[in-house]
Amino acid sequence: AQTVTQSQPEMSVQEAETVTLSCTYDTSESDYYLFWYKQPPSRQMILVIRQEAYKQQNATENRFSVNFQKAAKSFSLKISDSQLGDAAMYFCAYRSYNAGNMLTFGGGTRLMVKP
Amino acid sequence: GAVVSQHPSWVICKSGTSVKIECRSLDFQATTMFWYRQFPKQSLMLMATSNEGSKATYEQGVEKDKFLINHASLTLSTLTVTSAHPEDSSFYICSARDTLLDTQYFGPGTRLTVL
Repeated sequence: AQTVTQSQPEMSVQEAETVTLSCTYDTSESDYYLFWYKQPPSRQMILVIRQEAYKQQNATENRFSVNFQKAAKSFSLKISDSQLGDAAMYFCAYRSYNAGNMLTFGGGTRLMVKP
Repeated sequence: GAVVSQHPSWVICKSGTSVKIECRSLDFQATTMFWYRQFPKQSLMLMATSNEGSKATYEQGVEKDKFLINHASLTLSTLTVTSAHPEDSSFYICSARDTLLDTQYFGPGTRLTVL
């Protein structure tokens, strides 16, 4: 079974600064997807970014980018120019390429943004 | 992105009663939907995978007779918590898989409180 670990329960960043959230995972599969989801106080889960394991290029979405290290099974999220609206819980998630399409979530990191 | 709705957004019920939660994909068809449970300050735990027209697949430790899932159409899945008890109080989240985009979209969640 796959496991996803987020080692930082809480992180804090100053507004306009950059912060990196860590995620590691364990799998024996070679094809899979990785995701970062944001859960603001409303508790609505929002997809931030997605990475296919077969792609070497790191995914980028505006101020959000990932550092995907397949050999190290690491998938960190970098948030540039942090904004107050970025304050939320962030979950890293793994999905197998073939089986079931279910997501396995990490424990989450609470990001606080200081004005 | 695609929209998934949940109804109700919150519900309070007495111990021993049953509660039904609806999950609808509003602008796409979803052959697969997922039900998660989230305790305060914790991650999402997959309860079951709901497939249209067939029986749901439950995760280990989830009582299928207590958490009844019906996925009768391509846009609707329901979760019924039968004979609810206070320990069933939690935040329940559904997600629906858009087959064409191969992406899961999450509903806003339902807060269940059992007195």
